[in-house]
Amino acid sequence: EAGVAQSPRYKIIEKRQSVAFWCNPISGHATLYWYQQILGQGPKLLIQFQNNGVVDDSQLPKDRFSAERLKGVDSTLKIQPAKLEDSAVYLCASEGGGPTEAFFGQGTRLTVV
Amino acid sequence: KQEVTQIPAALSVPEGENLVLNCSFTDSAIYNLQWFRQDPGKGLTSLLLIQSSQREQTSGRLNASLDKSSGRSTLYIAASQPGDSATYLCAVSGFQKLVFGTGTRLLVSP
Repeated sequence: EAGVAQSPRYKIIEKRQSVAFWCNPISGHATLYWYQQILGQGPKLLIQFQNNGVVDDSQLPKDRFSAERLKGVDSTLKIQPAKLEDSAVYLCASEGGGPTEAFFGQGTRLTVV
Repeated sequence: KQEVTQIPAALSVPEGENLVLNCSFTDSAIYNLQWFRQDPGKGLTSLLLIQSSQREQTSGRLNASLDKSSGRSTLYIAASQPGDSATYLCAVSGFQKLVFGTGTRLLVSP
């Protein structure tokens, strides 16, 4: 069974530039999460999708972050414009129906300079 | 609002020791609790999942327990090995959310 795929693995951008991350969840998983993990901290939920609908985006900085989930499958997370404090690992995870085991991708490490 | 705390933040032990990692959560209305391992620069690998109706789960040298009423879980690692060195994260799943602790950074020296 293929796992959660994320790309790119690494990205370095200058502040005020824009960047996009892509996630392909495990086939058939209805729930998709995007997390931000700053160095030395636990992952923080940014947004949760159930199929193609948003369940929780209360911690998403909506002035600069946006996310969508196309047709309830792949998802993209965008930052525009990026700030230095956005430097982190962005993790995507998916879950099957209901609160079951969550599976994570390898993450995208973003460095904003 | 669910809050998850992990103690200790860091742990260094010699190879062969048995050790316990602790996780506590404030809201006992959870569906399940999951323990993850994270290697430097990598994503999260699921180790054990305990449903709210269960008391413990075992996988190899790992045993995780759950006491929902007191808001606690422990991860027991038997006969630790240098390859166990990583950060261990616990996460609780409540109503459609997965909330993480800050992790315990484990170093097992040969």
